[in-house]
Amino acid sequence: SAVISQKPSRDICQRGTSLTIQCQVDSQVTMMFWYRQQPGQSLTLIATANQGSEATYESGFVIDKFPISRPNLTFSTLTVSNMSPEDSSIYLCSVGGQTIEQYFGPGTRLTVT
Amino acid sequence: AQSVTQPDIHITVSEGASLELRCNYSYGATPYLFWYVQSPGQGLQLLLKYFSGDTLVQGIKGFEAEFKRSQSSFNLRKPSVHWSDAAEYFCAVRMRGGADGLTFGKGTHLIIQP
Repeated sequence: SAVISQKPSRDICQRGTSLTIQCQVDSQVTMMFWYRQQPGQSLTLIATANQGSEATYESGFVIDKFPISRPNLTFSTLTVSNMSPEDSSIYLCSVGGQTIEQYFGPGTRLTVT
Repeated sequence: AQSVTQPDIHITVSEGASLELRCNYSYGATPYLFWYVQSPGQGLQLLLKYFSGDTLVQGIKGFEAEFKRSQSSFNLRKPSVHWSDAAEYFCAVRMRGGADGLTFGKGTHLIIQP
């Protein structure tokens, strides 16, 4: 399986600011996904990021709030914009495409104060 | 609506006892099925998956799961749990033939009693 890293691993941010989370994979992958895990909750898909095309967002998530970049087949970023305390969550990227299953990065724990 | 249900929020099992975690799905067709485990402060690790064929699938760490089409279920089992199995367990599904992400159940928190 692919080795996936995320930066930062955690951060504490003030409301109204933005944070960009990076996801790096050690091999080329077709599809990358971003998920949110709110405190004590399950994972919810934010968007699918394919290289060379615009990200596809799930219901309830919009590009202005969660802009995503996918400049190549090994890297993606998710920005959480104009943050509020409700954005405090763990954000995880995952990869798929060559395999049906998905593998997850370690996550970024975000706290907004 | 498509959904994944894990009816047990918490389960407590004595170390060495057997374990079964339940998962039911509601989809128009049989999706791909997965179980993931999340240990405290850790990311998600894939335990096992079902795509087709043999309905009893073996995974890592001594886990297995059985797909039952008639019950739309994919229950996770382990014959003898270890204290290190204490974690959050998520059942997840993905539609066949698509490029979709995963839909997760709400998770089951497993507590191991000594």
